[in-house]
Amino acid sequence: SYVLTQPPSVSVAPGQTARITCGGNNIGGESVHWYQQKPGQAPVLVVYDDTDRPSGIPERFSGSNSGNTATLTISRVEAGDEADYYCQVWHTSSDHPGMVFGGGTKLTVL
Amino acid sequence: EVQLLESGGHLVQPGGSLRLSCAAAGFTFRSYAMSWVRQAPGKGLEWVSGISGNAGSTYYADSVKGRFTISRDNSKNTLYLQMNSLRAEDTAVYYCAKLTFSMIVVGSLDYWGQGTLVTVSS
Repeated sequence: SYVLTQPPSVSVAPGQTARITCGGNNIGGESVHWYQQKPGQAPVLVVYDDTDRPSGIPERFSGSNSGNTATLTISRVEAGDEADYYCQVWHTSSDHPGMVFGGGTKLTVL
Repeated sequence: EVQLLESGGHLVQPGGSLRLSCAAAGFTFRSYAMSWVRQAPGKGLEWVSGISGNAGSTYYADSVKGRFTISRDNSKNTLYLQMNSLRAEDTAVYYCAKLTFSMIVVGSLDYWGQGTLVTVSS
């Protein structure tokens, strides 16, 4: 089965840039989506199809995807960005297509 | 405004069964694929199952295949998850979620319900 690997935690000071990676075999050939989840709340889609933002998501959130790594970048980090972040793909395989989530990354704003 | 409201979660004994429901509103339900995603206490997100808009295609995670069945009633704008042979490791908050763009189960999930808690314990 397809595996997405995220660092368990990332820490950044307010105003700085946070980069959260998502590793997978040739993930650059997949469409990657990113979710933000705050404690006690449902996940919120923040980036879809590698680089696009849903309406209402600040431009500070951006994504990229190439080779074996996709990256969610949060510029000018704010205290309110502290949350868990998950990457996700729909992996098509010959025998078992399915949705795959990464293990999640806890973003701490120092 | 899109709304997804899950119900049906509660305490059940190992080996038991449960049916979750997800009532949808605010969009043309039949035009979108839907998914169930779960989250065990203190753990990450795990995809469980997905169904196309016309219910013609269904998909399952290996961990639930053969035990869970996803279905939908487009006349009632409702998604279901029938869970049989429940195990302790099925304990989780179960979210229903809408596919962003498509009738097929491919892509991102743009709206999520608030979840319903399923606890499997004796």
